[in-house]
Amino acid sequence: NAGVMQNPRHLVRRRGQEARLRCSPMKGHSHVYWYRQLPEEGLKFMVYLQKENIIDESGMPKERFSAEFPKEGPSILRIQQVVRGDSAAYFCASSPRGFEAFFGQGTRLTVV
Amino acid sequence: DAKTTQPPSMDCAEGRAANLPCNHSTISGNEYVYWYRQIHSQGPQYIIHGLKNNETNEMASLIITEDRKSSTLILPHATLRDTAVYYCIVDNNAGNMLTFGGGTRLMVKP
Repeated sequence: NAGVMQNPRHLVRRRGQEARLRCSPMKGHSHVYWYRQLPEEGLKFMVYLQKENIIDESGMPKERFSAEFPKEGPSILRIQQVVRGDSAAYFCASSPRGFEAFFGQGTRLTVV
Repeated sequence: DAKTTQPPSMDCAEGRAANLPCNHSTISGNEYVYWYRQIHSQGPQYIIHGLKNNETNEMASLIITEDRKSSTLILPHATLRDTAVYYCIVDNNAGNMLTFGGGTRLMVKP
C-alpha cells in the first residue's frame, strides 16, 4: 500500500506565476489535509477536504489560495500569483477518518 | 483545542530511554493525546495516541497521568535515527486538523 504521494517534491516558480501541488492520498482514505511549514517554523493547518467537498478552510489565506479534491484524481493545492512569502514546504496528509494522519514527503516551493 | 507545553529541546544518549514530557492541563474529556515526529524536514510521522490508558506499540510507549493533565512519550532504546522534533498534540477527533506547537527537538547522541 503506497503512502501519501505528493508531487512535485520541489517546485520553483517566479513571482506572479501559478503553483499547483498534487496529493494522492493513501488507498481507501477519503479525507485529505494540507499543511504549510514556513522556514524554521512549525506546521500550520490550511484546509481539510473530502471528496468533492471542502470541510474546513479556516487556515487558508483568503486570496490566491484554493484547494480541491475531485471525485477522480489527486487533491490539488493551487497558489495563484505566487510571492516570495509563499516559499515553504507544503505537506499533505490523509486519514481514514479516525485517528492517525499519514503525511506525504511534502512539496518544497521556492519563489524566485 | 487544548494547548500543549513541551520543552524546546532534549538530549539523549544512544541506547538509553528517551522520555519526552508534555503538559496539557486544559485537555477536555473527549480529547486524545497524539504524538508525531518530524525527522529533518520530512513529512511528520505518526507515533502513538491515547485517551486515558497507557499505550504501547512497536515504536514507543505513551504514559498518561490519571488526571490526564500530562503525558510522557517513551522511546525505550533511542537510536541516532530517532533524532527529530517530537510534537505532542491533543485532538478531539472531530477531524484531523492537527495543531502543531513548537515540539521538542530530541538529539540522540552517540
